[in-house]
Amino acid sequence: AQSVTQLDSQVPVFEEAPVELRCNYSSSVSVYLFWYVQYPNQGLQLLLKYLSGSTLVKSINGFEAEFNKSQTSFHLRKPSVHISDTAEYFCAVNEKGGSYIPTFGRGTSLIVHP
Amino acid sequence: EADIYQTPRYLVIGTGKKITLECSQTMGHDKMYWYQQDPGMELHLIHYSYGVNSTEKGDLSSESTVSRIRTEHFPLTLESARPSHTSQYLCASSEQGRDTDTQYFGPGTRLTVL
Repeated sequence: AQSVTQLDSQVPVFEEAPVELRCNYSSSVSVYLFWYVQYPNQGLQLLLKYLSGSTLVKSINGFEAEFNKSQTSFHLRKPSVHISDTAEYFCAVNEKGGSYIPTFGRGTSLIVHP
Repeated sequence: EADIYQTPRYLVIGTGKKITLECSQTMGHDKMYWYQQDPGMELHLIHYSYGVNSTEKGDLSSESTVSRIRTEHFPLTLESARPSHTSQYLCASSEQGRDTDTQYFGPGTRLTVL
């Protein structure tokens, strides 16, 4: 069975500082990995995903995540955050050939201070 | 932008009432899901559907029921609401048979049972 651990429930950071949101997963088979973002009073929306190929994936708004198979991690990073990045971030994993239903982590609240 | 809608957005009701949370999508997706979201917790899958006339229970035990009479519509019903049902309910959809696929989420219904 697959599982996801997001190590930080809350990450406060100042505007223009770098940030890393950590995600580790557990699975006995190969996986697909996702990061979703949830802005206040909205549903989740896909930020980026790793399916295969290059282990570094990027979003259109400057976030990136690197799949590390040996450490079973998929940490999300941004070199310089904006106030508008304040949101809840969810890591999710889906096993290849599995049920097609992802398992979500508990979420990390990114709080960007001016 | 995802075309998936939920109504109502907010609902406050008394114990014992019957309620239906509506979810509709215009993307023609076969798979639809209902999640329960509480602060600091994983998203818990409570129901899902692979297509018309298909419904399955998820990981989280729930006293709710769902129906899938039309592809675009996946309502969730609570026959007798209780304070323990107070939560955020998220509806989502994805394409059939592809575990790489993104889940598209609605904005959620925040339910409070007094």
